[in-house]
Amino acid sequence: DADVTQTPRNRITKTGKRIMLECSQTKGHDRMYWYRQDPGLGLRLIYYSFDVKDINKGEISDGYSVSRQAQAKFSLSLESAIPNQTALYFCATSDSTTGDYNEQFFGPGTRLTVL
Amino acid sequence: AQSVTQLDSQVPVFEEAPVELRCNYSSSVSVYLFWYVQYPNQGLQLLLKYLSGSTLVKGINGFEAEFNKSQTSFHLRKPSVHISDTAEYFCAVRIYSSASKIIFGSGTRLSIRP
Repeated sequence: DADVTQTPRNRITKTGKRIMLECSQTKGHDRMYWYRQDPGLGLRLIYYSFDVKDINKGEISDGYSVSRQAQAKFSLSLESAIPNQTALYFCATSDSTTGDYNEQFFGPGTRLTVL
Repeated sequence: AQSVTQLDSQVPVFEEAPVELRCNYSSSVSVYLFWYVQYPNQGLQLLLKYLSGSTLVKGINGFEAEFNKSQTSFHLRKPSVHISDTAEYFCAVRIYSSASKIIFGSGTRLSIRP
């Protein structure tokens, strides 16, 4: 079984709809991240969480919100989706106890299309 | 501010040929350096990392990278590529003082021709 899972894997929605992307991990890591990937732009950080009570904005948080329901779960919401949020979204985790270099482990991604 | 530049968006090479994927970074402080690989329709996985010590680091699948502090580079190399190396490769940096995030380059798509 995969250590970091994302649901759904693909989603097509319409402008203005509320969308939630979910991430679960069985690695026991304390830190979790949400990125979006756009062609030619690499990965950009949306939000990150160091533990259940610690949530921080990344470089492109506008239009997004997150919820850390438990150490193993980190959800990303688009309150009112717009077409330029069409992208590939990745969840990642890291373990602060294994060294400070912050190696991150990625889920398989969610492809979101906003029409 | 830190940044990562991958100069080549696409690199086509023939099978069994050598390849170098270039990465330069900008930082006024010490960094950790990473290369991630993304195979088609998959998430990213760590290929190799430089934390400290020897500037030549070896990763999985026969890849290696060399950290050059004076040139602020961390180029990825493989002496002989295979069709299975077809993927997108991302260079990434994390500064010592920031536990929050890794900054990714824009990626280099490696395509292998038979």
